[in-house]
Amino acid sequence: EDQVTQSPEALRLQEGESSSLNCSYTVSGLRGLFWYRQDPGKGPEFLFTLYSAGEEKEKERLKATLTKKESFLHITAPKPEDSATYLCAVQAWDRDDKIIFGKGTRLHILP
Amino acid sequence: EAGVAQSPRYKIIEKRQSVAFWCNPISGHATLYWYQQILGQGPKLLIQFQNNGVVDDSQLPKDRFSAERLKGVDSTLKIQPAKLEDSAVYLCASSLDLGIAFFGQGTRLTVV
Repeated sequence: EDQVTQSPEALRLQEGESSSLNCSYTVSGLRGLFWYRQDPGKGPEFLFTLYSAGEEKEKERLKATLTKKESFLHITAPKPEDSATYLCAVQAWDRDDKIIFGKGTRLHILP
Repeated sequence: EAGVAQSPRYKIIEKRQSVAFWCNPISGHATLYWYQQILGQGPKLLIQFQNNGVVDDSQLPKDRFSAERLKGVDSTLKIQPAKLEDSAVYLCASSLDLGIAFFGQGTRLTVV
């Protein structure tokens, strides 16, 4: 069973068309949930950390939210340069504090 | 502040050959990770070090993969002998302790 599930697998949006990416997790004792951005041929770039339900973080056109079983990455009025793969990862007590990644959402913003 | 350094960036080898990857973490970071990322997938943890001790290597194929972190700083990951299915990007990351992991650019390995 996957412990971190991201949806959709891929998403194509027109420039300016807002949407949300989902990350659901089944671990217990969440220590932290992380969002990363990954461009082709590069390593993941850290975006946000969320620690408790109800927490929100914002950076430019991105906003991350957290509930007890899932997180959303909201993208408002995206631009073509926001095109990338967005990865979600969790760190939890019951997984020996390993950082476990989902498979990612490939986001493509059309000009 | 310098980031996580990895080398080489690319490597092409024939199956059954051996290969080694090098990682220099961010200065002062006690925790070091090696991940394997197959095309279209999320990173999969291979091994995690805390200083120079192994914290987790449950998903490391120990019959062919080995890793070490001498003096709690640099690390090397070795594959011997390589198989076709080892073709992937190998990512190194580091963190202060538990928490945010910062990644290097990765090494893209192609086994032919």
